[in-house]
Amino acid sequence: QTVVTQEPSFSVSPGGTVTLTCGLSSGSVSTSHYPSWYQQTPGQAPRTLIYNTNTRSSGVPGRFSGSILGHKAALTITGAQADDECDYYCVLYMGSGIYVFGDGTKVTVL
Amino acid sequence: QVQLQESGPGLVKPSETLSLTCTVSGGSISGNYWSWIRQPPGKGLELIAYSYYTGNPYYNPSLTSRVTISVDTARNQFSLILSSVTAADTAVYYCARLVDRPTVAFDYWGQGTLVTVSS
Repeated sequence: QTVVTQEPSFSVSPGGTVTLTCGLSSGSVSTSHYPSWYQQTPGQAPRTLIYNTNTRSSGVPGRFSGSILGHKAALTITGAQADDECDYYCVLYMGSGIYVFGDGTKVTVL
Repeated sequence: QVQLQESGPGLVKPSETLSLTCTVSGGSISGNYWSWIRQPPGKGLELIAYSYYTGNPYYNPSLTSRVTISVDTARNQFSLILSSVTAADTAVYYCARLVDRPTVAFDYWGQGTLVTVSS
């Protein structure tokens, strides 16, 4: 069974740039996996940030961007703010109606 | 603006059946996919099941023998039934709308409801 991989944690300085990745335990991520990204602050429901690799959801600040980097999907935060300190999850479409969540990345802004 | 709200008991005894309902407001349940996602305390998100409004459900293979999802278009609601629960089923349960290809996203989420399995 293919696993969706994410970094467990990342640290970024205020105003800095961080790139989180979303990969596969076997194989490469492409746009055909329709990568999407979700932000979750403690005690809150997830919020959709990015879908279809690089489309920002309504109301999402421009400092969030999605892409394919090498063989992984990527979420880049440019100009990180204190409010960005939370968990980020990716979801990949694996075909045959199967969607799989990654385990999430905890981002610390300090 | 589409809004989703989960409802159901917050405490279920081991071996019993968990039953949750998600009420959709601000939009029609028709024409869309609807899903249940859970998050055990301190852990990540797990897709439990989803269904088109007319049926044809998908179930997480690890839960398929215990899970049923159903959609009630008349009430603009969909439901989750999880049988034979154990402590491992303790989690916050979210309902969410799933937009399927060519746009793929869980775009609207409920606030979540904590279900604890304990005697």
